[in-house]
Amino acid sequence: QSVLTQPPSVSAAPGQGVTISCTGSNSNIGAPYDVHWYRHLPGTAPKLVIYGNSNRPSGVPDRFSGSKSGASASLAITGLLAEDEADYYCQSYDGSHVVFGGGTKLTVL
Amino acid sequence: QLVESGGDLVQPGGSLRLSCAASGFSVSNNYMSWVRQAPGKGLEWVSVIYGDGTTYYADSAKGRFTISRDTSKNTLTLQMDSLRVEDTAVYYCARESSNWSLDCWGPGTLVTVSS
Repeated sequence: QSVLTQPPSVSAAPGQGVTISCTGSNSNIGAPYDVHWYRHLPGTAPKLVIYGNSNRPSGVPDRFSGSKSGASASLAITGLLAEDEADYYCQSYDGSHVVFGGGTKLTVL
Repeated sequence: QLVESGGDLVQPGGSLRLSCAASGFSVSNNYMSWVRQAPGKGLEWVSVIYGDGTTYYADSAKGRFTISRDTSKNTLTLQMDSLRVEDTAVYYCARESSNWSLDCWGPGTLVTVSS
């Protein structure tokens, strides 16, 4: 049981957009601590795609955007490409250590 | 850059020591975490060591795992004792930034606990 709640899966066709939600509580996202998002392919290092709720690290395309409201956050990906297919995790902080969502598998149909 | 090592096949009840070599920054000046992913599961935080040496552990690791760092080798370590089958996972080390995002990860090392 993960501290943050994400949908197990989302899917969309190439060129379309998807939104992945992340719900926490007043102990983490709503505390308020920042939300960060990672793209992960099993067997590889997770990659930070959004930090500080809505900021993109260098090299991450502007098709990726993040937002936060209260104790929830969202990751939006527009103009889907086949290479976007991966697992996406949200992450926040609970006052002593990081906490993760359970992950969302994005399938590009 | 971070590179983990030490993963192996070990029997239940056994011990293993993971290492994470850092380059380009000092592990002693950063918050450093261990995160794991069990087969078919999501990312799970395991332990963190702060710059001042304060440590925290997930409930699943308390009393069995010990996080530490070797400043002379610029290395993070995770000593894992009394290993259980459910500890089977890929273990990643990661650096925490000032806003608690994990901005640098290693490629991971596989720990398999099985008889």
